[in-house]
Amino acid sequence: EAQVTQNPRYLITVTGKKLTVTCSQNMNHEYMSWYRQDPGLGLRQIYYSMNVEVTDKGDVPEGYKVSRKEKRNFPLILESPSPNQTSLYFCASSFGLAGVTGELFFGEGSRLTVL
Amino acid sequence: AQSVTQPDIHITVSEGASLELRCNYSYGATPYLFWYVQSPGQGLQLLLKYFSGDTLVQGIKGFEAEFKRSQSSFNLRKPSVHWSDAAEYFCAVGRLAAGGTSYGKLTFGQGTILTVHP
Repeated sequence: EAQVTQNPRYLITVTGKKLTVTCSQNMNHEYMSWYRQDPGLGLRQIYYSMNVEVTDKGDVPEGYKVSRKEKRNFPLILESPSPNQTSLYFCASSFGLAGVTGELFFGEGSRLTVL
Repeated sequence: AQSVTQPDIHITVSEGASLELRCNYSYGATPYLFWYVQSPGQGLQLLLKYFSGDTLVQGIKGFEAEFKRSQSSFNLRKPSVHWSDAAEYFCAVGRLAAGGTSYGKLTFGQGTILTVHP
């Protein structure tokens, strides 16, 4: 089954404790992206990747890191989480430049709470 | 910078009534436009998309949207709403950025929550 898998789905952590949210897709997509969803703000793009070893900042990259060492994986790293990073996070993927022109496939989301 | 505005935060309609969700965008060139739907506790699913050509596009679940360049709008419509349509709807605009590897960015609106009364 074609899917985007995120882990963990739910996480409560404390300020400053490094964490990683994993994202994996099994569709051989070149394009992958991370979004955060906050009430009244919609989805805001954090980082995206056009292919392996190619990443770029979205609209709200501060406090986050990403890496794309393999095509299927695109982990989101919070080196020192702060309470303002409490949010619902979505990973998404798509074929090639279809990241812009085509359909994004979304994971089910990861709800992160930073105390 | 590109932006998307969904003026209605929350819309309530009766089952069987028609629906129109508004979306306005700001972008200097030809936009790529999308509507996504998010059911409670789920990720987003693509309803429809516009790249070029016919300005009236058909999507899944009986939805359609019309691109109006003069009004910078891409409103979503459905002639008869079903209770299962209750969800949050997002309009999004995409573009190809110039320079380096900054190709793809997709900007989403704030979302419109749809409630359907029986």
